Amino acid sequence: GAGVSQTPSNKVTEKGKYVELRCDPISGHTALYWYRQSLGQGPEFLIYFQGTGAADDSGLPNDRFFAVRPEGSVSTLKIQRTERGDSAVYLCASSFYREDRQFFGPGTRLTVL
Amino acid sequence: GENVEQHPSTLSVQEGDSAVIKCTYSDSASNYFPWYKQELGKRPQLIIDIRSNVGEKKDQRIAVTLNKTAKHFSLHITETQPEDSAVYFCAASINGGSQGNLIFGKGTKLSVKP
Repeated sequence: GAGVSQTPSNKVTEKGKYVELRCDPISGHTALYWYRQSLGQGPEFLIYFQGTGAADDSGLPNDRFFAVRPEGSVSTLKIQRTERGDSAVYLCASSFYREDRQFFGPGTRLTVL
Repeated sequence: GENVEQHPSTLSVQEGDSAVIKCTYSDSASNYFPWYKQELGKRPQLIIDIRSNVGEKKDQRIAVTLNKTAKHFSLHITETQPEDSAVYFCAASINGGSQGNLIFGKGTKLSVKP
């Protein structure tokens, strides 16, 4: 079946702009995670959704970052007033339930000029 | 919080040799340990995982061992092939609690020379 998909694959923006990154999880997966991967590093956890609610947002770096999952499927990561340090690959993962295996999407490469 | 250390950062082997990557974790409550393979510009792909009630798991040329007492786990790849070349990440998480997120190591770049 279809895996996790993310759009756009690449996003270039200017410092101070607002961006939205989209994640489509595997159908039927209730748990959804956002991670951020900088060059040469492992993915770092940002936020976890169980259904529609953000069960754990302890990894969000500051209040410029926000994520929603209004219908318990698609999720959008929103970044306000982007900074050059936000440049990274943003990965989404989903699992059937919280304790199950996580499957990753291809990521969105965000570049802030 | 949990911290995962991974070694070595780079590993070069000849085709047909074995490769071993080691990880240690800090939180004794961690009970789930997956390994991901990431090729350049691609998504991380789950290749094998182990839970804390098991000491070893094998899938064809890949095996993972877990030592809960010492808080370390290892990935073993036998009969390496050029297509095994990639960055490998270990991770740990605490399932059953309020968290399910993975804490990753920094990765090991494996190069298999033909």
